[in-house]
Amino acid sequence: GAGVSQSPSNKVTEKGKDVELRCDPISGHTALYWYRQSLGQGLEFLIYFQGNSAPDKSGLPSDRFSAERTGGSVSTLTIQRTQQEDSAVYLCASSRDRGQIYEQYFGPGTRLTVT
Amino acid sequence: AQSVAQPEDQVNVAEGNPLTVKCTYSVSGNPYLFWYVQYPNRGLQFLLKYITGDNLVKGSYGFEAEFNKSQTSFHLKKPSALVSDSALYFCAVRAGNRDDKIIFGKGTRLHILP
Repeated sequence: GAGVSQSPSNKVTEKGKDVELRCDPISGHTALYWYRQSLGQGLEFLIYFQGNSAPDKSGLPSDRFSAERTGGSVSTLTIQRTQQEDSAVYLCASSRDRGQIYEQYFGPGTRLTVT
Repeated sequence: AQSVAQPEDQVNVAEGNPLTVKCTYSVSGNPYLFWYVQYPNRGLQFLLKYITGDNLVKGSYGFEAEFNKSQTSFHLKKPSALVSDSALYFCAVRAGNRDDKIIFGKGTRLHILP
């Protein structure tokens, strides 16, 4: 079946512009995560959606970052007024409901470059 | 608060030798533990998980991990390393609370030397 997809795969933007990154999780997965990975580094948690619960936004680095998940499926991560330090690979993952025992399935990521 | 630690940034192992990638965790309640691997220029892939039952769990590509409750560890192991095992490995943990997010370690880069 289809895995997690993300678009675009690459995004180059100028400092100060807004960007939107999209994630399509696996159908039926109610948990969705966004992470950021700087070159060769670990995963930085950004935000977590679980079903109809309020999202856990504790990892968002600043108020320039926001995310929404429409209809319990597709999610969009928005970065406003991008800065060079926002350059990274943004990863999306999804897992099944009652996700604590289920593994995450990761998308290929969006590589964001802010010039 | 839950946390996970991978004390080694990098591990070098000769091909054919056994390998161990270390992971320790801290959670309240029962832990659910995972290992993921990221091969060069590829996405993260699930390797194995411990939920309950046998302390030794087996996963993909011949990897296994041992859950040790007293030492709060979940080290990843393989009896005989392959050059193709060279990758970035992440340990992850979540507590038993239903809506608790999963927390990843910083990753350990494994180099298998031919």
